[in-house]
Amino acid sequence: KNEVEQSPQNLTAQEGEFITINCSYSVGISALHWLQQHPGGGIVSLFMLSSGKKKHGRLIATINIQEKHSSLHITASHPRDSAVYICAVYLYSGGGADGLTFGKGTHLIIQP
Amino acid sequence: NAGVTQTPKFQVLKTGQSMTLQCAQDMNHNSMYWYRQDPGMGLRLIYYSASEGTTDKGEVPNGYNVSRLNKREFSLRLESAAPSQTSVYFCASSEFQPTDTQYFGPGTRLTVL
Repeated sequence: KNEVEQSPQNLTAQEGEFITINCSYSVGISALHWLQQHPGGGIVSLFMLSSGKKKHGRLIATINIQEKHSSLHITASHPRDSAVYICAVYLYSGGGADGLTFGKGTHLIIQP
Repeated sequence: NAGVTQTPKFQVLKTGQSMTLQCAQDMNHNSMYWYRQDPGMGLRLIYYSASEGTTDKGEVPNGYNVSRLNKREFSLRLESAAPSQTSVYFCASSEFQPTDTQYFGPGTRLTVL
């Protein structure tokens, strides 16, 4: 079972809509990352969260440590936001893998 | 300032051939990582290096070896390629810890026939 679950897997929306992508994880974590993978394949880090909320431009990321849940919001969505959004966590019970555990990603398409 | 660079961008191998994927970063980061990305799966950690001269196995290390040649460079070697190693490989770096922001290279698309 994947310890990091994202929903939805696929999302198509119209330009201007408010977008929410969710990430749930099953064990305690010390940090959560949101990443964006462009259609060309490049991966960019958007946020690193350990508590609370962060905002960068039209992107907002929140985390609820008690509920083991994080959300990524996009306001006033635009076709250039079309990408795969990936949640990744650093698990306390790393099982020997000293790195991030990744969700499978949410494929977002914003139509003009 | 190039960030993280990877070579080659594409590679086709026959089963049993060997090759080395190269990665370099110019941000003076201590930690470097090799991941693989397969359809329908999240990125998975192959190997991790916390500093020059140290390496640790990740989630899927079998069939791979790594070398942290110096602070800048971290290479991934496939000694005898198998079709199961067909994947997109990403190198990444972070200043100190895996919890720090990670910077990714452009990826290498490897096909093993």
